[in-house]
Amino acid sequence: DGGITQSPKYLFRKEGQNVTLSCEQNLNHDAMYWYRQDPGQGLRLIYYSQIVNDFQKGDIAEGYSVSREKKESFPLTVTSAQKNPTAFYLCASSRGQNTHTEAFFGQGTRLTVV
Amino acid sequence: SQQGEEDPQALSIQEGENATMNCSYKTSINNLQWYRQNSGRGLVHLILIRSNEREKHSGRLRVTLDTSKKSSSLLITASRAADTASYFCATDPISNFGNEKLTFGTGTRLTIIP
Repeated sequence: DGGITQSPKYLFRKEGQNVTLSCEQNLNHDAMYWYRQDPGQGLRLIYYSQIVNDFQKGDIAEGYSVSREKKESFPLTVTSAQKNPTAFYLCASSRGQNTHTEAFFGQGTRLTVV
Repeated sequence: SQQGEEDPQALSIQEGENATMNCSYKTSINNLQWYRQNSGRGLVHLILIRSNEREKHSGRLRVTLDTSKKSSSLLITASRAADTASYFCATDPISNFGNEKLTFGTGTRLTIIP
């Protein structure tokens, strides 16, 4: 089945620790995105990548880092510099630049700082 | 910044009734998209309406777009318990090359009472 997979579903982080959230897609999409969702809120864009080996900051990139070494994969690292990391993280993909079509989402990773 | 704003924030109706939710936005767009999110899950794309379209149907869903008022509405007819979810509008601003700045509103929480 084609789709976008996030792992893990739940993640617990200690204060001062970096953690990496995985996002993989087999839809052959060029573009991938990371969003953060807080309770009762909409989605805020953290980072996006329109093509392999390229990525851009979104609206709330501070304290996060990404890489895009493969078309299928767009991992997000939540660093210790992110002061309030507890949130629901959503990865998405779409066909990419010069196309204006829908985004496909993973099932999300819920990150909790303990 | 939030481009789309949904109204109402929450809506409860009896099963079988129609549900209407609205979205307002601020800048010119390529298209407007509606998504559904079940609690604790990822977003699922429902329907996309392009800026040159005024109305679109998909099953029990009807979407309208008024670019002069910068607003859209989503109508769900003959609601079912399974329609209980949060509904988000997302706008693809005219400045986008692709979906890099697909901007989500804060959502309408719809509850269908059996």
